[in-house]
Amino acid sequence: GAGVSQSPRYKVAKRGQDVALRCDPISGHVSLFWYQQALGQGPEFLTYFQNEAQLDKSGLPSDRFFAERPEGSVSTLKIQRTQQEDSAVYLCASSLLLDASTANYGYTFGSGTRLTVV
Amino acid sequence: DQQVKQNSPSLSVQEGRISILNCDYTNSMFDYFLWYKKYPAEGPTFLISISSIKDKNEDGRFTVFLNKSAKHLSLHIVPSQPGDSAVYFCAAMGGGADGLTFGKGTHLIIQP
Repeated sequence: GAGVSQSPRYKVAKRGQDVALRCDPISGHVSLFWYQQALGQGPEFLTYFQNEAQLDKSGLPSDRFFAERPEGSVSTLKIQRTQQEDSAVYLCASSLLLDASTANYGYTFGSGTRLTVV
Repeated sequence: DQQVKQNSPSLSVQEGRISILNCDYTNSMFDYFLWYKKYPAEGPTFLISISSIKDKNEDGRFTVFLNKSAKHLSLHIVPSQPGDSAVYFCAAMGGGADGLTFGKGTHLIIQP
């Protein structure tokens, strides 16, 4: 597709429920990132993939958060036993590579999934 | 401990005037700085970037200035237009992190 596509756009989950958020990056983009944006805050890094390899998951807030990209394209962020503090917008971003050239045009972000845990 | 700080949550500017958005950082190892613009219910959109070895980069109405000694950068928009009303995020690349480190954003409001 022309851009980064995320689904669903909105998700309401009951506390304790598991959720799965999907990201379709731009075709051919090697690098894929997940960010969490709480209300009134900037996006915060969660995890990074290069193709199917998860190279950095240092930003995942707890072991309830799990991300995968098994074939190096579509990625899924899974949150188990959701808590109210998980309520946020989850943004996915992709780029062709992860090097200095990325800084010249930035990463392309999707519109995000707004997760509300009630 | 915020490594990228945008101390003005909002800024109101008259149409046609210059908008100046500020950003401070603490990590001297950042390689690049980027500005993103975000409309409600959309993802951030890349605007302009600057390498840490430069002090100015210009693209049309947008200019970013970097003062390394002060660990400060600013985004200038001139002239400001109604479509510029959005939240602007300052972000840094490098410094030992794989992803971008974002500030909290500044909501720019362009008054007619």
